Amino acid sequence: AQSVTQLDSQVPVFEEAPVELRCNYSSSVSVYLFWYVQYPNQGLQLLLKYLSGSTLVESINGFEAEFNKSQTSFHLRKPSVHISDTAEYFCAVSVLSGGYQKVTFGTGTKLQVIP
Amino acid sequence: ETGVTQTPRHLVMGMTNKKSLKCEQHLGHNAMYWYKQSAKKPLELMFVYNFKEQTENNSVPSRFSPECPNSSHLFLHLHTLQPEDSALYLCASSQDVLTGELFFGEGSRLTVL
Repeated sequence: AQSVTQLDSQVPVFEEAPVELRCNYSSSVSVYLFWYVQYPNQGLQLLLKYLSGSTLVESINGFEAEFNKSQTSFHLRKPSVHISDTAEYFCAVSVLSGGYQKVTFGTGTKLQVIP
Repeated sequence: ETGVTQTPRHLVMGMTNKKSLKCEQHLGHNAMYWYKQSAKKPLELMFVYNFKEQTENNSVPSRFSPECPNSSHLFLHLHTLQPEDSALYLCASSQDVLTGELFFGEGSRLTVL
């Protein structure tokens, strides 16, 4: 069975500083990888995804993540954060199991951007 | 109009009540899901429906009863719940069960007294 580890439950960072949210996964088969963001009192929204091809994927609001197969990681980075990036971020791994893509989520990392 | 709509947004019920959560997706997707989100725990997959057929019941207690009348609507019927069932219940949809990319509603916050 696959699993996802997000070691940091909370990450405080000053506005305009860089941030990295860590995600490691374990799986014996090939995976799809996702980052979702959840703003207060809302559901999860897809931020970016890795399915195949280039190992570096980007979102429209400046986040990027790199799939590292040897380290089984999919860390999320942004070079300069804004107040509006304050939210909870969930890493997820998806594997084909029982005829469908079974998605497993991490426990989430709360990003707090400090003015 | 959001792609996935959940009602009610908030629900308070006693342990002997019967209530239902409703989810509707306007994305033309064929798969729908119920997830449970509790504090400090990963999202827990509860049920998966593909073309109205249930393909996954993740060992969910029978006090939770899903219903999927068509590919656009999903219900979660609740009865004789326990206080530990208090959580945010999220509905999601996907184009099919092979993409892994999920589109979530805003959730129904359930409190069981």
